[in-house]
Amino acid sequence: DQQVKQNSPSLSVQEGRISILNCDYTNSMFDYFLWYKKYPAEGPTFLISISSIKDKNEDGRFTVFLNKSAKHLSLHIVPSQPGDSAVYFCAASFLYQTGANNLFFGTGTRLTVIP
Amino acid sequence: NAGVTQTPKFQVLKTGQSMTLQCAQDMNHNSMYWYRQDPGMGLRLIYYSASEGTTDKGEVPNGYNVSRLNKREFSLRLESAAPSQTSVYFCASSPAEYISYEQYFGPGTRLTVT
Repeated sequence: DQQVKQNSPSLSVQEGRISILNCDYTNSMFDYFLWYKKYPAEGPTFLISISSIKDKNEDGRFTVFLNKSAKHLSLHIVPSQPGDSAVYFCAASFLYQTGANNLFFGTGTRLTVIP
Repeated sequence: NAGVTQTPKFQVLKTGQSMTLQCAQDMNHNSMYWYRQDPGMGLRLIYYSASEGTTDKGEVPNGYNVSRLNKREFSLRLESAAPSQTSVYFCASSPAEYISYEQYFGPGTRLTVT
């Protein structure tokens, strides 16, 4: 059963406009959320994260918003650039007793930024 | 500093054959992970190793075994490959227990089982 869901498989945005990628989760025990970016034939690379004690985290053009009551987070990219075209994965985590920070991934959203 | 490296990059196996996927990291990370990515499924955790000497099952461990050879290396073995194991396999590592949630990924191994 998918605990982290990205319901939009794809998104197209004009260069310079805002990209909004959405993610929902079902497990209220998740305490950390991350966004990863993936180019073809490469591994995912970390983009930005947010702890469950915050509702917003910003890093340059990237901002992640967390709404715990709705179990929803979103990634905003402003302004969008053609180099942002990639697959974006939302991931969530909580600590097991062994301490490994296992990540639960969504299915990804393919962002295309049109020049 | 190469980060996380995986070998091979591509592999084709016949049903029933065995193989080992290799992963190494040079970042002195404690925890290492193996994921598989299938179309429309996102990444799913196969096995993980929280620290040297320990391994545990993830979400989809059936048909796989792992070995944490030392702190740097974490291998994934398919004893008898099946077509359902056709996938892209990613190895990842993370710095330390309880501190960082961020994982660093290798470039992946694309495996086809015919």
